[in-house]
Amino acid sequence: DVKVTQSSRYLVKRTGEKVFLECVQDMDHENMFWYRQDPGLGLRLIYFSYDVKMKEKGDIPEGYSVSREKKERFSLILESASTNQTSMYLCASSLASIGTQYFGPGTRLLVL
Amino acid sequence: GENVEQHPSTLSVQEGDSAVIKCTYSDSASNYFPWYKQELGKGPQLIIDIRSNVGEKKDQRIAVTLNKTAKHFSLHITETQPEDSAVYFCAASAGGSYIPTFGRGTSLIVHP
Repeated sequence: DVKVTQSSRYLVKRTGEKVFLECVQDMDHENMFWYRQDPGLGLRLIYFSYDVKMKEKGDIPEGYSVSREKKERFSLILESASTNQTSMYLCASSLASIGTQYFGPGTRLLVL
Repeated sequence: GENVEQHPSTLSVQEGDSAVIKCTYSDSASNYFPWYKQELGKGPQLIIDIRSNVGEKKDQRIAVTLNKTAKHFSLHITETQPEDSAVYFCAASAGGSYIPTFGRGTSLIVHP
């Protein structure tokens, strides 16, 4: 089975802190994604990557950056956390040729 | 870009009843339509998908129908059970990119 793991299930940070969320997949998938999930808004794409060191902006990239130094690892970075970034963050991966996405369990981030 | 509308946002049924969730999409180039189920505390998981060359697909109690002309697709769950209670997301993606656009989700509640 494909496994996508996220470094933390719950995280509490202060406004202005730099926050790193890490995601690792074990199935050699080319594509990796970061989503933000908020009630009533569904899943919104922050960034995605289709190869090592490659990244593309999604629908809501402002305030975020990403890093993909290795194929299996995709990191989301909040350069200076703000309260409006309090949310559930989901990582996903997929094969380039098949649309099915495999999601991690999510990280619930609270910014105080 | 693609726009996916999902209805209803909340659906409450009695155990044993059927449940139907509907989605519409805007991009006629979309050709892959997955459905994901998100249980409490977990990431979304694919439950069924359909491609544009197929009008209907069934897997036990779950079926998906696609009307390309009208640009809508639906999830049908028969003989609902309490364990079907979850948030369901539809998605649509086009061509070879497989970057999906998600609907906002439907919270299905099955009362015993």
